[in-house]
Amino acid sequence: QVQLLESGGGVVQPGRSLRLSCVLSGFDFSRYGLHWVRQAPGKGLQWVAVIPHDGSNPYYADSVKGRVTISRDNSKNTLYLEMNSLRAEDTAVYYCARDLDLSPDFWGQGTLVTVSS
Amino acid sequence: QTVVTQEPSFSVSPGGRVTLTCGLSSGSVSTSHNPSWYQQTPGQAPRTLIYSTNTRSSGVPDRFSGSIFGNKAALTITGAQADDESDYYCVLYMGTGIWVFGGGTKLTVL
Repeated sequence: QVQLLESGGGVVQPGRSLRLSCVLSGFDFSRYGLHWVRQAPGKGLQWVAVIPHDGSNPYYADSVKGRVTISRDNSKNTLYLEMNSLRAEDTAVYYCARDLDLSPDFWGQGTLVTVSS
Repeated sequence: QTVVTQEPSFSVSPGGRVTLTCGLSSGSVSTSHNPSWYQQTPGQAPRTLIYSTNTRSSGVPDRFSGSIFGNKAALTITGAQADDESDYYCVLYMGTGIWVFGGGTKLTVL
């Protein structure tokens, strides 16, 4: 069955960098676009970024553009999110999700990123 | 900046019917926005209920249905059950590779 497993979260100081990973299985990874979505504590869902099936032309929310890079390695069935210049407002649970018909579809369980000194 | 609007909270009686909506701060929602709906309980990942306006995700009971209602997307729950008490989120595809989530609706079943 479809499974998504995020990792890489933790506590990081403001201004530092962090790379999240998401390993996906149970489907043909290379055929699907993939999203990152985050949720700050006690808040709603916020779309972060998407990458097409072939890794071309990723797109980003304005709130993270220029500080975040989404990438994928189709040979490893793995999605990444590189985050730089982290701020307190980046504190959130980060979910990866598969795209289906222009919608986030299957979701992972999330990884918590806490930006704090 | 486009804001996707949802009712902050709603309540429904057990066995009742409720329609949650998803609108835009400017303009109308259409099928081209590919509205999708998610259910989330505290501490859990979101669960996809509806995608592409009205397609139920695998395993989702037919008590849940999606539609366009006036100038908004709508999620209707019929025969509400206690375990439908959750947060519900919609997301709209704004084109040019951008998605925007609504602020969510907290549904109470009582």
